[in-house]
Amino acid sequence: QVTLRESGPALVKPTQTLTLTCTFSGFSLTTSGMCVSWIRQSPGKALEWLARIDWDDAKYFNTSLKTRLTISKDTSKNQVVLTLTNMDPVDTATYYCARTSLTTGIDYWGQGTLVTVSS
Amino acid sequence: QTVVTQEPSLTVSPGGTVTLTCASTTGAVTSAKSPNWFQQKPGQAPRALIYSASKTHPWTPARFSGSLLGGKAALTLSGVQPEDEAEYYCLLKYGGTQVFGGGTKLTVL
Repeated sequence: QVTLRESGPALVKPTQTLTLTCTFSGFSLTTSGMCVSWIRQSPGKALEWLARIDWDDAKYFNTSLKTRLTISKDTSKNQVVLTLTNMDPVDTATYYCARTSLTTGIDYWGQGTLVTVSS
Repeated sequence: QTVVTQEPSLTVSPGGTVTLTCASTTGAVTSAKSPNWFQQKPGQAPRALIYSASKTHPWTPARFSGSLLGGKAALTLSGVQPEDEAEYYCLLKYGGTQVFGGGTKLTVL
């Protein structure tokens, strides 16, 4: 079955860089049409789409955050890594990764990981 | 800046029917924006319900349906159950990027 799990620090300081890893199983990012997306949700707020990486290494970013975001994949480890630079308390959120298919959209989600930005 | 708008809150009676909508500040929502709908309950990750405006996932209950209606994407719940009380989010595609709506809190009362 398809599973995804986010991992990374629970607490980061302002100005630091956040690095999150999504480890998945049940599908491959070498399969045509397969992608992984990152989404976040600040406490009590709406979902916010952050980025996506595709099987062919195409990358897409949230327009407002693209100067701070990078995304990469390691197909041998079934992992996708998201980095967000210059963290600020407003970046405090639960960060989700999700399997994405060009045909069925975002379908499977990880459980999410809460990241708090505080000095 | 692209904004996707949803009703902030709606209330429906058990067994009733309710339609949630999703609009874009850039114009009419068409199939090209590939609307997706998600349900999120407190403390849980979102769950996918609808993709490509009207297609359902294998786990989507039959009472949920999606459509394009009057320039918006729409999610209709028919025969609402108490367990449908949740936040609902739409997601629209703008080229390679995607934007979530602000969510609709659905109360079943």
